[in-house]
Amino acid sequence: DGGITQSPKYLFRKEGQNVTLSCEQNLNHDAMYWYRQDPGQGLRLIYYSQIVNDFQKGDIAEGYSVSREKKESFPLTVTSAQKNPTAFYLCASSEQGIGYNEQFFGPGTRLTVL
Amino acid sequence: GQQVMQIPQYQHVQEGEDFTTYCNSSTTLSNIQWYKQRPGGHPVFLIQLVKSGEVKKQKRLTFQFGEAKKNSSLHITATQTTDVGTYFCAGWGAGNMLTFGGGTRLMVKP
Repeated sequence: DGGITQSPKYLFRKEGQNVTLSCEQNLNHDAMYWYRQDPGQGLRLIYYSQIVNDFQKGDIAEGYSVSREKKESFPLTVTSAQKNPTAFYLCASSEQGIGYNEQFFGPGTRLTVL
Repeated sequence: GQQVMQIPQYQHVQEGEDFTTYCNSSTTLSNIQWYKQRPGGHPVFLIQLVKSGEVKKQKRLTFQFGEAKKNSSLHITATQTTDVGTYFCAGWGAGNMLTFGGGTRLMVKP
């Protein structure tokens, strides 16, 4: 059963702590993405990766970091430098990192920082 | 940078009424995609438009891409309660990344 998995579904952290969100895909897609969604808002791109061991900043990369050591995995770390980290985080993938490919989304992780 | 705006932000309709959401880009787009996100869910791809003036239909849904490739619309005929959700457009342009609009949240009263 192919798809994208994100874990955990809900995550609570204390202010000042780093936290890593998991994203795994078995679709054999080259490109992967991280988006942030705030209540009632659209999706804003945090980071994207078009190939293993390479990634680029999106519109709101400050306070976040990523790695792409394996094709199927693209973890996102929300650092203590992110001033307002409470949000819904969505991971996505596409066959290639170009605009003509549809993006497949995972179920998301809802992060709450207390 | 590239901006994609969607209106309206919210729309309440009675079941059976039609619904339209509009998407406008600040720059010319190579293509536009539409996604639907059910309440509590994740976005799911609906369709992609590439050609200027293109019109595509999926059952009760009609998608249009403007002649100048800077705007698009999604029209739903005779809404049903299963249409509830937020509809996003997303455009690929000069920034070499997919830029999402803010979405239109559709609520349908039975």
